[in-house]
Parts: sequence; C-alpha cells; structure tokens
Amino acid sequence: QKEVEQDPGPLSVPEGAIVSLNCTYSNSAFQYFMWYRQYSRKGPELLMYTYSSGNKEDGRFTAQVDKSSKYISLFIRDSQPSDSATYLCAMREGAQKLVFGQGTRLTINP
Amino acid sequence: NAGVTQTPKFQVLKTGQSMTLQCAQDMNHEYMSWYRQDPGMGLRLIHYSVGAGITDQGEVPNGYNVSRSTTEDFPLRLLSAAPSQTSVYFCASSYHGDSAFVANVLTFGAGSRLTVL
Repeated sequence: QKEVEQDPGPLSVPEGAIVSLNCTYSNSAFQYFMWYRQYSRKGPELLMYTYSSGNKEDGRFTAQVDKSSKYISLFIRDSQPSDSATYLCAMREGAQKLVFGQGTRLTINP
Repeated sequence: NAGVTQTPKFQVLKTGQSMTLQCAQDMNHEYMSWYRQDPGMGLRLIHYSVGAGITDQGEVPNGYNVSRSTTEDFPLRLLSAAPSQTSVYFCASSYHGDSAFVANVLTFGAGSRLTVL
C-alpha cells in the first residue's frame, strides 16, 4: 500500500464549479501537507502549504487537513480554465523526504 | 535568477547506453533531489543530497548514480539504460534547515524527457 493515495482522475468540470481534490495517507507522523500544481510539460510548483490539522485559505483555494481521518483536501472555488493542471498532494514527517501522491489531472471547461 | 536548469530537455537512448542528466541551481539551495514521474505513479524520489559531498538514496535508486561536488550541481547518471527507465525526470531543490516551511518549498526544473528503446 502506498503511503499517500490520490485519485488520478481525470476530473473534468465546467467553469465556475467548486472543485474538491483529495488525498489519504497511512503515516500518522506526517506533519506538513502541501499541494503542488503542475501545468502540462512543466515542473510542479508549490500552491498551498499547511502544518498539522486545520484549514488554510488563499484566494480561491482552500486547503484542509484532517489528521484524525488521515485525509487532506484542496478546494477550488469559482474554477477557471487556467486552473486546468495536474494537482499533486505531498506530505512529510519532520525533516524527512517529501512523499507525493499520484496527482489528479483536472480540466476546467469554458 | 535562472532557478533550476535541467539539460537536456529530450533524449533518446538505446538499451545499454549510459548518459548523464544535468541539473544546476543558482539559489544557493543546500537540498537537491531527482524525481521520476510516470503515469499513475506520481513523483518518485530517486536520489537526494543535503549538501556538497553528501548524497542518499530515495525510493527508486537502482540503475542511477549521483554525486554532489558543488552546491550548484547535481547530475544524475544512468549507468546502463533500460526501457523501464523511460520517464520524465525532474530535478528539485530547496533550502535545508530548521525552518520546515522553507524545506517544503521545492523548486522544480522543467523536466527531462527520456526514452529508452
């Protein structure tokens, strides 16, 4: 079993919809949770970062961590065609290496 | 600042050939790493380094070699290419220290697409 599981999709939604992307994990020691965004034929870039449980909001993006359920989410409100990308969750324990999910390919249709 | 620069962008090899993927960063990052990205598998860590002269294995190190003689450069060597090494390779770097935040902000290169026939 992978340490981090992410539904690879693909996920296709109309412009303006609310998007929910999710990851589950098995290592209860993970403390730092991140979402990276990767446009086609580009390298990933950090989108959101949270520490431990709770919510964090940045514009149209909200990251949510539920450590009791070992579940993290990324919500995108008022989705735009420019949000079309692959979204990768990532997490780490202390100073250990980052572990990535498989990535979810998202398409926002105009 | 160029960030993380990877060369070449594309490469085709025959089985058994060797080659080196180059990675250079100009941000004075201590931590550098190599990932491979395959469909349905996400990013898998091959090797990483926390400073010049220090390297360690990641999740999928077999068939790859690395060295870190300077802070700026972290080349990845394929010793004897196999079709299973067909993939997109990403180099990434970050600061490495007590601040967990900066250690989480990996800066990725644009990737090197390798095909092994």
